[in-house]
Amino acid sequence: KQEVTQIPAALSVPEGENLVLNCSFTDSAIYNLQWFRQDPGKGLTSLLLIQSSQREQTSGRLNASLDKSSGRSTLYIAASQPGDSATYLCAVRNSGTYKYIFGTGTRLKVLA
Amino acid sequence: DTGVSQDPRHKITKRGQNVTFRCDPISEHNRLYWYRQTLGQGPEFLTYFQNEAQLEKSRLLSDRFSAERPKGSFSTLEIQRTEQGDSAMYLCASSFTGGDYEQYFGPGTRLTVT
Repeated sequence: KQEVTQIPAALSVPEGENLVLNCSFTDSAIYNLQWFRQDPGKGLTSLLLIQSSQREQTSGRLNASLDKSSGRSTLYIAASQPGDSATYLCAVRNSGTYKYIFGTGTRLKVLA
Repeated sequence: DTGVSQDPRHKITKRGQNVTFRCDPISEHNRLYWYRQTLGQGPEFLTYFQNEAQLEKSRLLSDRFSAERPKGSFSTLEIQRTEQGDSAMYLCASSFTGGDYEQYFGPGTRLTVT
């Protein structure tokens, strides 16, 4: 059974700092992994999607990496800004299923 | 295209009543997901449609929960005989088979059962 864990649960950093959010999963037979951000009381916004055959994806200040063998993905945020404050969620889809399993998220606060 | 829309945005109902939520996906998206999210948790998968076919569903989507997607366009999620434990945010997402399967989420329907 796939389980997804995100550590830390909450993180507070000063503006301009580079930071790394972690996502780990127990079953390496994944199809893809997707990172989202969620603002309070809102739906989710897709940030990056990594296919199982890929090692990383980049979009602007964001870089996501995937290491299937170790069951880990990281989301790197460069030069953080107060507007980056949100909850960041990772979701994993296993091969042979359409179901996505989400972690509980990392709540990020970037201080001005 | 304005993205995935959900209606209503908020619903307050008394325990034991039935409720129905609607989701309109992005027009060219043939894949549609329903999730439930409670405070402090990540979304929990409920069911998946490809066009009008319901191809996968959680064991949660049985008994009191049912979902439909007639004609492969909008979808409805019905909860019968609501319980206080059903209070949550119900999220809909859609994606396109021809792409990377990236999911686009709607704003959600917040259900409060009193």
